[in-house]
Amino acid sequence: DAKTTQPPSMDCAEGRAANLPCNHSTISGNEYVYWYRQIHSQGPQYIIHGLKNNETNEMASLIITEDRKSSTLILPHATLRDTAVYYCIVRLMTTDSWGKLQFGAGTQVVVTP
Amino acid sequence: EAGVTQSPTHLIKTRGQQATLRCSPISGHTSVYWYQQALGLGLQFLLWYDEGEERNRGNFPPRFSGRQFPNYSSELNVNALELEDSALYLCASSLYREREKLFFGSGTQLSVL
Repeated sequence: DAKTTQPPSMDCAEGRAANLPCNHSTISGNEYVYWYRQIHSQGPQYIIHGLKNNETNEMASLIITEDRKSSTLILPHATLRDTAVYYCIVRLMTTDSWGKLQFGAGTQVVVTP
Repeated sequence: EAGVTQSPTHLIKTRGQQATLRCSPISGHTSVYWYQQALGLGLQFLLWYDEGEERNRGNFPPRFSGRQFPNYSSELNVNALELEDSALYLCASSLYREREKLFFGSGTQLSVL
């Protein structure tokens, strides 16, 4: 699976959009980009995933560059409950990789009042 | 709807003993995954079970084993405990048709003394 690079930490003001970058320059054509987050003392929570096209759900938006070498997770209106470690993960959708998410260090996002 | 439940919340063992951790998946989910989150090492994939069979395994020694029962609940067994096995053990489940979306429990904190 391709390696990802994320900033170690980010601050965001409550009510503002949080834009979380992720570099995955070695991504291959059939590797998906996933985002999970882990709030303190809880297990990780799935946010969103995508292959090529931008994706949006009730939690966030995922913007993938045309060359797929980087992506941005957007939390449109950050709240204090969005304070968490955010993980960007790239992996193949094959039988061998199911369940085998490789979590890196992630980005610690702190939302301030 | 109940989420993924894990028991016990905390477990204290001594070196050389055996530990058994339990997980109940979300109703309707047939796949169960186990992850280890040790300090400084991040989340690491341990095991994946589906329909009662082990489908994938991470880079852990054979003393880490488990099983999945007919009701899809699962046990993780760690034999011959070592100090470095101290970690948060997280269980996740998924629908078979949505294997990219893992739902995690809050984990079992295992301390080996």
